[in-house]
Amino acid sequence: GAGVSQSPSNKVTEKGKDVELRCDPISGHTALYWYRQSLGQGLEFLIYFQGNSAPDKSGLPSDRFSAERTGGSVSTLTIQRTQQEDSAVYLCASSRGVSGANVLTFGAGSRLTVL
Amino acid sequence: KQEVTQIPAALSVPEGENLVLNCSFTDSAIYNLQWFRQDPGKGLTSLLLIQSSQREQTSGRLNASLDKSSGRSTLYIAASQPGDSATYLCAVRSSDYGGSQGNLIFGKGTKLSVKP
Repeated sequence: GAGVSQSPSNKVTEKGKDVELRCDPISGHTALYWYRQSLGQGLEFLIYFQGNSAPDKSGLPSDRFSAERTGGSVSTLTIQRTQQEDSAVYLCASSRGVSGANVLTFGAGSRLTVL
Repeated sequence: KQEVTQIPAALSVPEGENLVLNCSFTDSAIYNLQWFRQDPGKGLTSLLLIQSSQREQTSGRLNASLDKSSGRSTLYIAASQPGDSATYLCAVRSSDYGGSQGNLIFGKGTKLSVKP
């Protein structure tokens, strides 16, 4: 597609439920990042995918968070047993390659509210 | 650990005014620095990217400068317009590598409001 597409745009869930957030990167972009933006905070790196390499999960805040990327394209971020502190905007970004010269293109984000 | 700070957190100016947004970072060993714009309910739009070897970049009414040794960058907006109202984010990249080594470290942003 023309841009990075994320769904759902808004998700309200009850504490303890599992949620899945989807990211469809720009076609041909091999690098994909997930970030979290909490109220009043800067963007926080979560996880990174590059081609068929093992993902860099060093930013995931707990083992309730996981992500996968199928076929080197669409990625799903899963949060199990959601907590109120998980409420945030989850942003996905992709880039053509890993070099720092490649600009990241961000999606509009998925706003998660945990009641 | 790299930390990025943006001052002020919020700024309100009348239309037509020139303004400067500030960004500082604690570790001067950066690969590049980017300025982004974020509109409510939308993703981030990259405005300017400055490589570590560069001192400034210009795009239209925007000019971004980089002083790596002092850990500072500024975003200058000339002749501001109501359409410039948004949150402006500064981000640094510490490495050319991908993944956590090459990911962007963001400031919390400056929320700009330009009054007609």
